[in-house]
Amino acid sequence: AQKITQTQPGMFVQEKEAVTLDCTYDTSDQSYGLFWYKQPSSGEMIFLIYQGSYDEQNATEGRYSLNFQKARKSANLVISASQLGDSAMYFCAMREAGGYGQNFVFGPGTRLSVLP
Amino acid sequence: ETGVTQTPRHLVMGMTNKKSLKCEQHLGHNAMYWYKQSAKKPLELMFVYSLEERVENNSVPSRFSPECPNSSHLFLHLHTLQPEDSALYLCASRPGQGSYNSPLHFGNGTRLTVT
Repeated sequence: AQKITQTQPGMFVQEKEAVTLDCTYDTSDQSYGLFWYKQPSSGEMIFLIYQGSYDEQNATEGRYSLNFQKARKSANLVISASQLGDSAMYFCAMREAGGYGQNFVFGPGTRLSVLP
Repeated sequence: ETGVTQTPRHLVMGMTNKKSLKCEQHLGHNAMYWYKQSAKKPLELMFVYSLEERVENNSVPSRFSPECPNSSHLFLHLHTLQPEDSALYLCASRPGQGSYNSPLHFGNGTRLTVT
């Protein structure tokens, strides 16, 4: 069984500062994908960034980057230069490789609050 | 505007009612999903359809009945629900098998309240 752990139920960050949201995962698969999503209060889940298990470089997407440490099974999201609009729930998710390879497992999420 | 549209956005129903949630995607994707999001719980996968065939049924009670008439539409038929079924129901789609780095594309969700 796969599992995603996000140990920070809530985080605060000052506007314009950087923040790291933790994610660790548990899998016996060699091939897997890791995804981060943002969920504002409106409810929509917004895809932010992807990291493949075989990718040697850490993924980056604008102000978002992923600190991928495969041996430690961690995939932390780094948000640089935080903005007030970054206040939201953030979910780490993993796609399994076996079977249809279509199942995504989500962590419990971290609520980020950006302070002015 | 999202490529995945869910209706209705909000639904209040009694325990004896029958209702349906609708999801439509205009992204040309072959796989569609229903997730349940309850307060203080991780997203729970309910069903996955790939090319209109159900490929995942995550031990969901029979009072939830999915239907996928074509690759663009997904329904969730509800009957004799319980108050604990109150949650945000999220529909998602993605290109399909083989597209390993493709994310799920979500709709805005239906906020369901069972009274």
